[in-house]
Amino acid sequence: KAGVTQTPRYLIKTRGQQVTLSCSPISGHRSVSWYQQTPGQGLQFLFEYFSETQRNKGNFPGRFSGRQFSNSRSEMNVSTLELGDSALYLCASNAAGDGTIYFGEGSWLTVV
Amino acid sequence: SQQGEEDPQALSIQEGENATMNCSYKTSINNLQWYRQNSGRGLVHLILIRSNEREKHSGRLRVTLDTSKKSSSLLITASRAADTASYFCATDSNTGGFKTIFGAGTRLFVKA
Repeated sequence: KAGVTQTPRYLIKTRGQQVTLSCSPISGHRSVSWYQQTPGQGLQFLFEYFSETQRNKGNFPGRFSGRQFSNSRSEMNVSTLELGDSALYLCASNAAGDGTIYFGEGSWLTVV
Repeated sequence: SQQGEEDPQALSIQEGENATMNCSYKTSINNLQWYRQNSGRGLVHLILIRSNEREKHSGRLRVTLDTSKKSSSLLITASRAADTASYFCATDSNTGGFKTIFGAGTRLFVKA
């Protein structure tokens, strides 16, 4: 069974640009969560999607958005990038009903 | 604010020694989980303990949960250099969906 797949793994963007990150969950998993990890703030919850609906949202500005498709694949978008958005963005999937979440390898975003 | 807080922030031990990490949380939980993260990679699930359990074992890992004190500990016995990583506790906030909240992590360094 393939794990959680995130693309791209590394990317560099310029301030003011926007970025879209993609996540394919484990087959059969309908819940997808996104996290931002930075050295100073640790792992911060961004949002969680289930069956194309956002169920939970963390404390991030509206520049951070996401969506989930009918095949459970998810994307997150960050608009008007700021230097502070440089981070490792982690996607995780969950087979609803079990608390265990499974992480992808993450997407390293550097904003210059 | 983070639900889980790990202690200590960093721990350095010799190979063969035991490593103990603690986690405290603030609100009622359904379960508590521990994850490991090697530098710059995704998180790997180690063990899940439910709120009605007090202790759980998995190989060289032993997790305890004290819901009255809202705390958990992770013990790694006979540590190896390969155990060098960051360890996170995570708790579930069941708000109509999964919102797993992570602490800041304990950075473990095992010297060969």
